[in-house]
Amino acid sequence: AAGVIQSPRHLIKEKRETATLKCYPIPRHDTVYWYQQGPGQDPQFLISFYEKMQSDKGSIPDRFSAQQFSDYHSELNMSSLELGDSALYFCASSLGQGLYEQYFGPGTRLTVT
Amino acid sequence: AQSVTQPDIHITVSEGASLELRCNYSYGATPYLFWYVQSPGQGLQLLLKYFSGDTLVQGIKGFEAEFKRSQSSFNLRKPSVHWSDAAEYFCAVGRMDSSYKLIFGSGTRLLVRP
Repeated sequence: AAGVIQSPRHLIKEKRETATLKCYPIPRHDTVYWYQQGPGQDPQFLISFYEKMQSDKGSIPDRFSAQQFSDYHSELNMSSLELGDSALYFCASSLGQGLYEQYFGPGTRLTVT
Repeated sequence: AQSVTQPDIHITVSEGASLELRCNYSYGATPYLFWYVQSPGQGLQLLLKYFSGDTLVQGIKGFEAEFKRSQSSFNLRKPSVHWSDAAEYFCAVGRMDSSYKLIFGSGTRLLVRP
């Protein structure tokens, strides 16, 4: 069965650079969630989209922005990167908003040097 | 505010022994509860979920969990642990407001002795 695809899987950037993370949800899933997991931390919710509209926002820095496109894939744009942005970024998708299972992608490991 | 507490940071069990991982939640309404497993460098895999109904839920890989409203707990159990179960386990509660985002506990790392 198709799963959530995230690219790239690994990314190394320097401070103050920009990064773009991509998420391709499971076919027919219209809801995307982004989570950030710092080293040894639990995943923290960043932002979510439902039917291409932002549905919720968590502890996402103003330096970050995201959107969901017409094909339901989503991109997380990160600017002015800081060392503290080094983390595993997960995307999850679900079929609709509500009591639906969130399927997680393998994550993108971002390292900022 | 909602929160999830996993009081055990690390647990070590011998292969073949039983396992119980603790999870306590704080949520004003009916909680929607999940257990996820994360192997090193991997994504999160759903083990099981509780939405309503039978308070004992069965999941994949032989795991089960019991929802106890009176104790605000959703403990994960497995009768006989396999070496491949060594991983990080996260309990999570789903918020029913705007987006149903997940609030995770801090995780419990399971080590399995041969």
